[in-house]
Amino acid sequence: AQSVTQLGSHVSVSEGALVLLRCNYSSSVPPYLFWYVQYPNQGLQLLLKYTTGATLVKGINGFEAEFKKSETSFHLTKPSAHMSDAAEYFCAVKVGGASCSARQLTFGSGTQLTVLP
Amino acid sequence: GAGVSQTPSNKVTEKGKYVELRCDPISGHTALYWYRQSLGQGPEFLIYFQGTGAADDSGLPNDRFFAVRPEGSVSTLKIQRTERGDSAVYLCASSQTSGSSSEQFFGPGTRLTVL
Repeated sequence: AQSVTQLGSHVSVSEGALVLLRCNYSSSVPPYLFWYVQYPNQGLQLLLKYTTGATLVKGINGFEAEFKKSETSFHLTKPSAHMSDAAEYFCAVKVGGASCSARQLTFGSGTQLTVLP
Repeated sequence: GAGVSQTPSNKVTEKGKYVELRCDPISGHTALYWYRQSLGQGPEFLIYFQGTGAADDSGLPNDRFFAVRPEGSVSTLKIQRTERGDSAVYLCASSQTSGSSSEQFFGPGTRLTVL
């Protein structure tokens, strides 16, 4: 079974500062990795995903993440925070393969990002 | 170009009652998923449909929970004899295919409160 750990349930950064949200996963098979953002009273929106190929993945709104197999990590970064980035962020994993259980996403518990003026 | 929609957006019920939560997926999406998000937690998988059939219902917590998708489009999550612990946001997602790399698009959720 796969699992996801997000270190830090709350992260605060100043506007213009680097954003770093941490995600570590465990999976017995090569994973597919995702970052989602959730604004209040809205559904989850995909920021970016890693499936295969290049380990540095660029997403929407200036976010990127790097898949590091040796560290089992998929940390999310953004060089310069904007007030509109304040939201909750979820890391998720899916295992590859043909089994039905390969379709479900396993989420971390989320990180609430606050951006200070 | 509508996204995934869920109704109602909020549902308040009393312990022991029956509730139905509806999900309208994106048109043409063959796969549909239900997740439950408790306060302060990430979403947890409940059930996955490929077409009309439940391909994986391993996340349903007990036999009070049931879901259907009779025509391969709209889905209804049904909860019998609700308990206070069922209070959560119930999220629906759909994807164009069932491939494991296929993106899941989420609806805004139904917030269920059991008094």
